[in-house]
Amino acid sequence: AQTVTQSQPEMSVQEAETVTLSCTYDTSESDYYLFWYKQPPSRQMILVIRQEAYKQQNATENRFSVNFQKAAKSFSLKISDSQLGDAAMYFCAYRSAWGTYKYIFGTGTRLKVLA
Amino acid sequence: NAGVTQTPKFRVLKTGQSMTLLCAQDMNHEYMYWYRQDPGMGLRLIHYSVGEGTTAKGEVPDGYNVSRLKKQNFLLGLESAAPSQTSVYFCASTRGLAGGADTQYFGPGTRLTVL
Repeated sequence: AQTVTQSQPEMSVQEAETVTLSCTYDTSESDYYLFWYKQPPSRQMILVIRQEAYKQQNATENRFSVNFQKAAKSFSLKISDSQLGDAAMYFCAYRSAWGTYKYIFGTGTRLKVLA
Repeated sequence: NAGVTQTPKFRVLKTGQSMTLLCAQDMNHEYMYWYRQDPGMGLRLIHYSVGEGTTAKGEVPDGYNVSRLKKQNFLLGLESAAPSQTSVYFCASTRGLAGGADTQYFGPGTRLTVL
């Protein structure tokens, strides 16, 4: 069975600085998708970025980028030029490309942004 | 286009009472999911559905039942609520694209307290 691990329960970053959130996963599959979701205090889950495992190029969305290391089964999220609005819980998630329709989530990292 | 909606947003139950949470989506999505979110545990899958009339168990199905009589609706039932079911419940849906290149759309969540 696949697992997703986020080993940092809480992180802090100074406004305008860069922070990296870690995520590791375990799977025997070769095709899969990885996601980072943001959950602000409003509780709404928002997709931040998605990575297809067959793509070697790291995904980027504006100030958000990932460092995808398939062999190491690592999928970290880098937030550049941190803003106060980035403060939230961040969840890493995994989904197989075929067969199962289930998403597996990590336990989350709470990001605090200091003014 | 309302996306994914959940009813109610908040509810307080007494132990042993029953209730049904309603999830509705207007995006013609095939797949629908129910998760619970507890502190330090991320999102855990309760039940999911890959189409109208189908349901399947997720990671933590005990104490819950579901039904998907209409494609747009996915109901989560608690027959006899227990304090351990105090949680925030999220519904989500996806198109169900082959290969898994899907984005999950989440509802706003329901905060349930069982006394």
